[in-house]
Amino acid sequence: RKEVEQDPGPFNVPEGATVAFNCTYSNSASQSFFWYRQDCRKEPKLLMSVYSSGNEDGRFTAQLNRASQYISLLIRDSKLSDSATYLCVVNAVPTGTGNQFYFGTGTSLTVIP
Amino acid sequence: GAVVSQHPSWVICKSGTSVKIECRSLDFQATTMFWYRQFPKQSLMLMATSNEGSKATYEQGVEKDKFLINHASLTLSTLTVTSAHPEDSSFYICSARDPGELAGNTIYFGEGSWLTVV
Repeated sequence: RKEVEQDPGPFNVPEGATVAFNCTYSNSASQSFFWYRQDCRKEPKLLMSVYSSGNEDGRFTAQLNRASQYISLLIRDSKLSDSATYLCVVNAVPTGTGNQFYFGTGTSLTVIP
Repeated sequence: GAVVSQHPSWVICKSGTSVKIECRSLDFQATTMFWYRQFPKQSLMLMATSNEGSKATYEQGVEKDKFLINHASLTLSTLTVTSAHPEDSSFYICSARDPGELAGNTIYFGEGSWLTVV
């Protein structure tokens, strides 16, 4: 089983729509959670960290569900500029191996005019 | 925010030669850096974890003798692709873990290096 699993999509949504991505993780000891955005032919950039209580940044809302071991990213009022690949990243500390970061495969989003 | 710089951004080399890519953390000390490869329209693939002052940990299927990683200081890790072949052409990205972030171990990515082997 993969450490982190993400629906690769693609998600094609009209401008103004609300879209949500989920990402599941297998290690219950995971400590930190992040969403990154990657534009075509560019490096991933941190979009937001995900806190236990959930957090919001403008049109973006991230939530963590420890019981079900998933994180989510909600994008409201989608813009054309939101078109990108969204990566979830989970930080865990497996016994005896030190810090590990696990990446989802990314979810592709295309916002259509 | 924290910055990770990668150099060169683009490199074209002849088959059989070696190429070195540098990854620097500019405003924090990175005890751990990561190297990835990404083929077009595919996801990031972790190649190895680079720990300052010790040997890198390579992912399964990644040849350590072909992809030499050196992490000699807290702000610099290098990846050397030895005896490069056309199939090594890819987008190589590094990232560094900032242990000082309040959010906890946030990682930041370099700008990536496009390698083309001809």
